[in-house]
Parts: sequence; C-alpha cells; structure tokens
Amino acid sequence: EAGVAQSPRYKIIEKRQSVAFWCNPISGHATLYWYQQILGQGPKLLIQFQNNGVVDDSQLPKDRFSAERLKGVDSTLKIQPAKLEDSAVYLCASSSKGAIQYFGAGTRLSVL
Amino acid sequence: AQKITQTQPGMFVQEKEAVTLDCTYDTSDPSYGLFWYKQPSSGEMIFLIYQGSYDQQNATEGRYSLNFQKARKSANLVISASQLGDSAMYFCAMREREYGNKLVFGAGTILRVKS
Repeated sequence: EAGVAQSPRYKIIEKRQSVAFWCNPISGHATLYWYQQILGQGPKLLIQFQNNGVVDDSQLPKDRFSAERLKGVDSTLKIQPAKLEDSAVYLCASSSKGAIQYFGAGTRLSVL
Repeated sequence: AQKITQTQPGMFVQEKEAVTLDCTYDTSDPSYGLFWYKQPSSGEMIFLIYQGSYDQQNATEGRYSLNFQKARKSANLVISASQLGDSAMYFCAMREREYGNKLVFGAGTILRVKS
C-alpha cells in the first residue's frame, strides 16, 4: 500500500513570495491533515479535512495560509505572502475513520 | 498548562539495552488516546504504538511497549534491545474525544544509540 505522498521535499523562497505544497493521502483515507513543524518543536495542526470539507482550521493563519482538498483526495496548502517565521517542515497526514494518522515525508520550507 | 510534556530533551543508550522515554499528559476528557511517533533525520513521522484511555492492558508492538499509568497521567515508551536504527526523534502525542482527531504533540526526545 502506498503511503502519503508529498511534494516538493524542499523549497527555498524569499519573504513575500508565494509557495504551494501538494499532498496525496493513502488511498481510501477520508481524513487529511496539514501540520507545521518548526525546528525543535513537535508538529502543530494547521487544518483538518474530512473528505473535501474543513473540520478544524482554528490554528491556520488565514490572512496568508489557504488550503483546499478538491474531490476529497489530493490537497494543496498555500502560503501567500511568506514570512521568515513560516520556515518549517510542513507535514501531511491521513487517516481512515479517525484511527491512526499516517504521515508523509514532509516539505522543508526555508524563507530567506 | 502543557498538554503533553516530554522532559528528556536527549537520551543515550547502549546498543542492545532497553531505554524508557518519558511522557506525561494533561486532560480532563475521560476518553483520549496516546500515541508515540518516531521521526528519523529523513523527516517522516512513523507511527509506533497507540494506547486508549480505556484499554486495560499496556500496548505492545514488537520491541515497543507503552507503560501506561493512568493515575499518574504518564505514558512512557519502552524500547527493548535498542538498535542503531532506533536513533531518531521520538514524539508523544494525545488525541482527546472533545477535540476530534486532532493530535497534540510534545516537544520530543532525541535518542542516540551507541555501538
């Protein structure tokens, strides 16, 4: 069974630029999550989708971050414009019926 | 108050020995779940073990076991017969029924296995 796929693995941008990350969950997993992991910290949930509906986006900085999950499968997380403090690893996870969350390898973002 | 506390920033263990990674949690929800994940230098979070608040027995998965002490609100991970490949960051996380499937993570413990 294929795991959670994320791309790109690495991205370097300058502040005020925009960037997008892509995630393909495990086949059949209805729930998809985006986490932000700042260096030296544990991951923090940004947004949770159930199929293509948002369940929790309480910690998503909505003035600059947006996410969508079209057709309840793939998801894209966008940052526009990026700030220095957005430098982090962005992890995507998926789960089936609220069970174990399985994570992708993450996208490491550096904002210069 | 911190929901998940991991007090050991770093640990060393000799190859083939056992090691315990500490985790304490704070919740008033009677229904919750506790998880341990491993994050090697490659960055992927790997699920290791799960313990539900109503589970009577401690969870085990191969060389991993979870020492669940509900009254003390602790959920320590025990790794037996450590291997060099166990060197990684380890995160404890909690899910509370009140907050759906949202995982809250601790700050992590970095484990180094010495040969």
